[in-house]
Amino acid sequence: QVQLQESGPGLVKPSETLSLTCTVSGYSISSGYYWGWIRQPPGKGLEWIGLIHHSGSTYYNPSLKSRVILSVDTSKNQFFLKLSSVTAADTAVYYCARDLWHHAYWGQGTLVTVSS
Amino acid sequence: QSALTQPASVSGSPGQSITISCTGTSSDVGGYNYVSWYQQHPGKAPKIMIYDVSDRPSGVSNRFSGSKSGNTASLTISGLQAEDEADYYCSSYTISSSVAFGGGTKLTVL
Repeated sequence: QVQLQESGPGLVKPSETLSLTCTVSGYSISSGYYWGWIRQPPGKGLEWIGLIHHSGSTYYNPSLKSRVILSVDTSKNQFFLKLSSVTAADTAVYYCARDLWHHAYWGQGTLVTVSS
Repeated sequence: QSALTQPASVSGSPGQSITISCTGTSSDVGGYNYVSWYQQHPGKAPKIMIYDVSDRPSGVSNRFSGSKSGNTASLTISGLQAEDEADYYCSSYTISSSVAFGGGTKLTVL
């Protein structure tokens, strides 16, 4: 059974970079599929952030593209999100997920708060 | 990118059927057959219910069905049950090679 688990700091200061890790178990990232990130501000709807393939191919939300970097480490079966120049508007539960254009597998989510 | 448009709330009684709409444009919903629907209970991660407009993942009840006409996709839940009470989100592939989500619909089972 594919399982995903997000990890990273729960508090980030404004203007700094948010960094999250998604650790995958039950499936090898290098075997295929796209791996991605979605976020949800408290009490609000879902926002798609982007996807990455182990080959390095990426897709990004145009509205976030200038601040987002996705990467992958197949040796650790992990993929990563970096979001720069964060503001309070980036406070959200961040989910990692699998699959291209629809997401069948999700992590439990991790709350990241942007505050000084 | 603009979010897809969903009604803020819908409601129905147990046993009834309800439909949630998801309206986009020819650059997303209307242009591609990559519409998905997710169910989200409070404090939980979303769960996929429908993908590629009308396909149902293994393990999802056949009470859930999806369709599309023009720029509007729909999720229908038949034989409404108390456990169906949740938030529902649609999503679609877009012309920008990205994914747009709807604003979400709160389903209340009366």
